[in-house]
Amino acid sequence: GQNIDQPTEMTATEGAIVQINCTYQTSGFNGLFWYQQHAGEAPTFLSYNVLDGLEEKGRFSSFLSRSKGYSYLLLKELQMKDSASYLCAVRDNYGQNFVFGPGTRLSVLP
Amino acid sequence: GAVVSQHPSRVICKSGTSVKIECRSLDFQATTMFWYRQFPKQSLMLMATSNEGSKATYEQGVEKDKFLINHASLTLSTLTVTSAHPEDSSFYICSARDFRRDNYGYTFGSGTRLTVV
Repeated sequence: GQNIDQPTEMTATEGAIVQINCTYQTSGFNGLFWYQQHAGEAPTFLSYNVLDGLEEKGRFSSFLSRSKGYSYLLLKELQMKDSASYLCAVRDNYGQNFVFGPGTRLSVLP
Repeated sequence: GAVVSQHPSRVICKSGTSVKIECRSLDFQATTMFWYRQFPKQSLMLMATSNEGSKATYEQGVEKDKFLINHASLTLSTLTVTSAHPEDSSFYICSARDFRRDNYGYTFGSGTRLTVV
């Protein structure tokens, strides 16, 4: 079966650092994606990991451990506009289909 | 590059009527497009995979006779919600992959908010 878990909600302060965790158990694995979604809008791509380790992209970094079925998204220097839902998604072996996690709603407070 | 246009962005329809949602890849060809549904405060759930020139592949629990998918060209896929009911009210999002951009090439449309009254 396919199962992806994320915390439902998180709260952090402007300027701080927050880590959003994602654990997955899927029948196949061909990469893990993180997307940001503001309310009522489509998801936008943030990061992609297929090998173990840390990928850094400006204020956002994403980490993957395939053996542990674990990833996290790290957001630094939080800004108010970072308040959104963050979706963890695993791509299957065929490289086409995504399985999305439930999403984590992040609220950034002043 | 890699823009996916989805139309309409919002639609309100009466119960029992049908609604068509269009998803277009504007600057690339997409042999495969994906249709998702998202209920409030929930994540995206894949409904079906739309394949150009062939039948769509539906996920378990999704009624293919209710959610008609047509992918007649390399740039257009349509989702028709037939005999809509209030429980079909949801946010529908399409996605397509631009294979020229490899792993970063999945692009989402802007979504369609369907309200059935």
